[in-house]
Order: sequence, then structure tokens, then C-alpha cells
Amino acid sequence: EVQLVESGGGLVQPGGSLRLSCAASGFTVSSNYMSWVRQAPGKGLEWVSVIYSGGSTYYADSVKGRFTISRDNSKNTLYLQMNSLRAEDTAVYYCVGGSGVLFDYWGQGTLVTVSS
Amino acid sequence: EIVMTQSPATLSVSPGERATLSCRASQSVSSNLAWYQQKPGQAPRLLIYGASTRATGIPARFSGSGSGTEFTLTISSLQSEDFAVYYCQQYNNWPPGTFGPGTKVDIK
Repeated sequence: EVQLVESGGGLVQPGGSLRLSCAASGFTVSSNYMSWVRQAPGKGLEWVSVIYSGGSTYYADSVKGRFTISRDNSKNTLYLQMNSLRAEDTAVYYCVGGSGVLFDYWGQGTLVTVSS
Repeated sequence: EIVMTQSPATLSVSPGERATLSCRASQSVSSNLAWYQQKPGQAPRLLIYGASTRATGIPARFSGSGSGTEFTLTISSLQSEDFAVYYCQQYNNWPPGTFGPGTKVDIK
């Protein structure tokens, strides 16, 4: 059974930083496309970033230059380093995996709140 | 960037009735269209990909159709567990995999 478990969310002040983690089991992070998708409170889904199996990374314009996606193959874990956080980054962040561009597997999400 | 729109925003349906949800893309996405279901407090779940192929374990009452810019998700006979928000997503121009704003299906 595939499990993706996010952690690292919490309350952070504007301009602050946070690192999200996503531990995978039953699924190999390095062999798949791994994304972060977020959902602001009461809003829809927004794709944030992806890392391909080959290591290429891409970002939504809204987070480019502030967020960094990475993975640790030895730990089978995905990360999202978030810097210069803004109020509009407040959302539930989902770790999502798939064999290609489809979002096959989702974690339960971790809430990030950016507020003073 | 391709913009996805969905209609209606809310659909009120009685259990056992058919529900028809629409999704439109601002330019052709071929058949590279997926549908996701999200229940309150849960993560989304992949229902349909390739515009019409059900994902593993998805009941046959869910069906998808369309290509190009116009797509439809049909739920043939709504069950209590189907009341949720449904999102379409294009993956023809990837990244980003842009989502529609969602259609909420609630109980009439």
C-alpha cells in the first residue's frame, strides 16, 4: 500500500521559512514524479512544484525563486523548502506522487499558516 | 497558461439521480484531462484520466467524456458517498497541471 506522510507544517511569520517533508512507503520517490499541490482555506487546488524522476524541477510562477523542491533517495523522502513566506502561501500542502504527470497518490496534507 | 473553467459551481442532486459536470479548457488539451474527487477534510482522489479512463477501483457509475476543450464527468446514479467537490485538471501542457475551480455536488 502506498503511503505519503507529510510533516513540517505550522505557524510562521511573514518573511519566515519552513521545510515540509513527505515520507513515502510502498512507493519509490526517486522513480516517480513527485509534486506539491496546495489548497488555501476554502479554495481550490493549486500545483506548486514537481521533481521528475530524472531530477528536473519546475515551479509555479507564484513560488518561483522562493520555494525549492528536493528529495533524499536514501530516505525515500520529498522536501519543500519554503522561504520568504507570504500570507497568500497559507494553505494545506499535499505531497503527491505519480508514475507520470497524473496525481495518483496523495498524502493527507500539512497546514502552513503564514501570519504575524 | 491554459485556464480551466467548470460549471456549474454547485450542483444539487437527489440520491439516485444522474449528475453531469462540465469542464472547459481555454485551448485544446487533447484527451489529457483528469478528474479528481475531494470529500471534506480529505485529500483529492484520482477518478478519471485520459478524459474517459477510470482509475483503479473507481466504480462504473463514474464516466468521463470529451476531447479538445469540452469535457464532461457523469455520475449515473448518485450515492451518498459521491457528494463531494470535483476538480478537472489538464496535463497536456505540463507543467503546470492546471486545475479547474471545482464543482460542488451536494444533496438536494
